[in-house]
Amino acid sequence: QVQLVESGGGVVQPGRSLRLSCGASGFTFSTYAIHWVRQSPGKGLEWVAVISNDGGNTYYVDSVKGRFSISRDNSKNTVYLQMDSLRLDDTALYYCAREMDPWGFGEDTLDYWGQGTPVTVSS
Amino acid sequence: EIVLTQSPGTLSLSPGERATLSCRASEIIRSGFLAWFQQKPGQAPRLLLYGASIRSTGIPNRFSGSGSGTDFSLTISRLEPEDFAVYYCQQYDSSPWTFGPGTKVEIK
Repeated sequence: QVQLVESGGGVVQPGRSLRLSCGASGFTFSTYAIHWVRQSPGKGLEWVAVISNDGGNTYYVDSVKGRFSISRDNSKNTVYLQMDSLRLDDTALYYCAREMDPWGFGEDTLDYWGQGTPVTVSS
Repeated sequence: EIVLTQSPGTLSLSPGERATLSCRASEIIRSGFLAWFQQKPGQAPRLLLYGASIRSTGIPNRFSGSGSGTDFSLTISRLEPEDFAVYYCQQYDSSPWTFGPGTKVEIK
């Protein structure tokens, strides 16, 4: 069955960095775009970034552009989110999710989600 | 950026009742590129509907969606105990993909 497992979250000071990982199994990883979505404590969902199946294309929400970088290693079935210059308002539970349509990029919704990894930015 | 507004913020209903949730977009969403998710406490969101009205795999037929353009709705025909949760709409028409603020369906 399709599984996505996030890791790498933790407590970090403002201005520092963190790298999240999203490990996938149960499907042909290299054919799917993968997204990161975050949810601040007690709040709603915010889309963060997406990477195409081959890693050649990426999009980011404006609030993380220039600070976050999404990448993937299809040989390891893993997507990464490198988060630099972290701010207090980056505190959230970070989910990775699969875009539903294989070979698509940015034109479909998210059908499978991981359970999330928490990131707390605090001094 | 397409802004999604959901109403009501909270819906208080009893099991067996009908729930109608609304999602309004700030711009036209082409081709019905709108999805609905259900989220329960401590769980990841679960895809219910996509393309405005297509049920995802395994979703019971008491869940239905409709709408086009800027106005969409999710209807739960008869609430089951497991349906009490928060529901989010999401547009995937254009980047940045955006979610509505959610509607909480609570037990009356």
